[in-house]
Amino acid sequence: EAGVAQSPRYKIIEKRQSVAFWCNPISGHATLYWYQQILGQGPKLLIQFQNNGVVDDSQLPKDRFSAERLKGVDSTLKIQPAKLEDSAVYLCASSYDRERLMYFGPGTRLTVT
Amino acid sequence: GIQVEQSPPDLILQEGANSTLRCNFSDSVNNLQWFHQNPWGQLINLFYIPSGTKQNGRLSATTVATERYSLLYISSSQTTDSGVYFCAVRPSGSARQLTFGSGTQLTVLP
Repeated sequence: EAGVAQSPRYKIIEKRQSVAFWCNPISGHATLYWYQQILGQGPKLLIQFQNNGVVDDSQLPKDRFSAERLKGVDSTLKIQPAKLEDSAVYLCASSYDRERLMYFGPGTRLTVT
Repeated sequence: GIQVEQSPPDLILQEGANSTLRCNFSDSVNNLQWFHQNPWGQLINLFYIPSGTKQNGRLSATTVATERYSLLYISSSQTTDSGVYFCAVRPSGSARQLTFGSGTQLTVLP
């Protein structure tokens, strides 16, 4: 089966600019997650969707980050405006449900200058 | 929130050696997974193991839920085993998804 797809793979922007990331989960996976991984650290959950509803966004900086999952399939994560500390790898993952194994995409490496 | 501690933080082995990685967690969990992040950044799930023991080839894992720890065993290590190994857990009764530890950086030398 096809894995989790993400794009772009790399992005370089200046601070205060906006950026958007796209994720296509594994077909049939109802649960979708966005994680932020700063260099040298473990991934940190930003937001979790169950179908197209938000289950947990308690660690999402809502003043600048937003995410949506239309029609319960693809998802986009947006940052506006970006800060230097947003430089990280943004990982999308999906699972059949929250009890099952998670499958990660290749990630988007964001550099904010 | 739940605390997840992994040890050792770094491990360097010669090819063919065995190793044990440890994950301690501060609260009861109903979901525990081990992941391998390869040098290119791809995270691959290894085990879903909230309790008990599982084996997959040269890798095996044991979780003792009552004592709040999990162990990942790598036998006859190969250079392709290099990367970061993460333990991730979800507290019992929580709707939040997995909280990751800080990982163990494994380097296997030829």
